[in-house]
Amino acid sequence: AQKVTQAQTEISVVEKEDVTLDCVYETRDTTYYLFWYKQPPSGELVFLIRRNSFDEQNEISGRYSWNFQKSTSSFNFTITASQVVDSAVYFCALRVGIQGAQKLVFGQGTRLTINP
Amino acid sequence: DVKVTQSSRYLVKRTGEKVFLECVQDMDHENMFWYRQDPGLGLRLIYFSYDVKMKEKGDIPEGYSVSREKKERFSLILESASTNQTSMYLCASSSGTGGWNEQYFGPGTRLTVT
Repeated sequence: AQKVTQAQTEISVVEKEDVTLDCVYETRDTTYYLFWYKQPPSGELVFLIRRNSFDEQNEISGRYSWNFQKSTSSFNFTITASQVVDSAVYFCALRVGIQGAQKLVFGQGTRLTINP
Repeated sequence: DVKVTQSSRYLVKRTGEKVFLECVQDMDHENMFWYRQDPGLGLRLIYFSYDVKMKEKGDIPEGYSVSREKKERFSLILESASTNQTSMYLCASSSGTGGWNEQYFGPGTRLTVT
């Protein structure tokens, strides 16, 4: 069975602090994809990043960075120098297989609040 | 830009009513999805469709049905709404069959069943 766990339900930090959102996944497949989405207060999920199971390179995009470690089945997301606009609910998701319908399994989400 | 629109942002219905939630995407995507979002549970897949008139059950299809008569439109139907269907409903679409393709989401419909 496939499962995604985001153990941190809520995180609250002061602006400019660094914050890491944890994501742990379970799957027996060797081919899979991992995604992060952001859901701001407006409600619409926004795609942030994807990773396939064969690419363990970490990625940095501005203040955002992602650490993918197959050895620990984790795909963690770090925001450096957080800003109030980063306040949102963040979801990690897993997609298994490369053919057929694209079912995603989502984690429970982490509500991040950045205080000024 | 990909745009996924949903017919209502907020909806209030009575128990036993038939409810239609409409979703339209403008990027000619093959795949469309309906999720519900509940606190502490994340997003759970209700139904999805990978082609016109095709549909497949997701993880929680009970109490719901769907219709996809045109490629751009995917409707979620609650035949007889119940209070446990009070939730946020999110529609999404994506292209092709490759697992690489991200899903694009609509703004959601917050449904309250009283």
